[in-house]
Amino acid sequence: EVQLVQSGAEVKKPGDSLKISCQGSGYRFSTNWIGWVRQKPGKGLEWMGIIHPVDSDARYSPSFQGQVTISVDKSVNTAFLQWSSLRASDTGMYYCARRRGCSPDEAFDIWGQGTMLIVTS
Amino acid sequence: SSELTQDPAVSVALGQTVRITCQGDSLRDFYASWYQQKPGQAPVLVTYGENNRPSGIPDRFSGSTSGDTASLTITGAQADDEADYYCNSRASSANHNYVFGTGTKVTVL
Repeated sequence: EVQLVQSGAEVKKPGDSLKISCQGSGYRFSTNWIGWVRQKPGKGLEWMGIIHPVDSDARYSPSFQGQVTISVDKSVNTAFLQWSSLRASDTGMYYCARRRGCSPDEAFDIWGQGTMLIVTS
Repeated sequence: SSELTQDPAVSVALGQTVRITCQGDSLRDFYASWYQQKPGQAPVLVTYGENNRPSGIPDRFSGSTSGDTASLTITGAQADDEADYYCNSRASSANHNYVFGTGTKVTVL
């Protein structure tokens, strides 16, 4: 079964650092870009950025550039999303998603189950 | 602009047809993909490209594009189709950046 499995929920304090993970299985991990998406409570989906597992080429939404770091360890089929100093406004659900295909038929066909992050003092 | 605008909410009677639209400049250059999200669940891809469906997605879901507007049509809506729907496309050809639409809540009456 093709799947992305994300790390568990986190409760952190403002100023803490954090790294969450997304492990792929059931397919050749190195062949597909992996994207990250944020969803604040009761709100819509926000595109954060994407990374290619082969060369760690990462691209960021302007809204998230400098706020987070996306990385990958292809030896363990895992992508990461990290923060150096969390804020309360980072509270939300974070999803990873696999990009299938190339333009014009690209899409995000496999999604992780989500990692809930709560940042509170 | 890289924004994608959707109507906040639409309703449809059981068994009838509903069209959800997504408007944005990037859709003149890139197809949209559409995602269904039910409460407490991760999004699920329902259509992509010109009009493609992943395996397991019912054929009552179809996608189309005209100019700067992409549409998702549900023909013969079922109670199980009640969910939030989001469009997504590349923001520009310059990089691998994407943008989501604002989302549409579909209620099946």
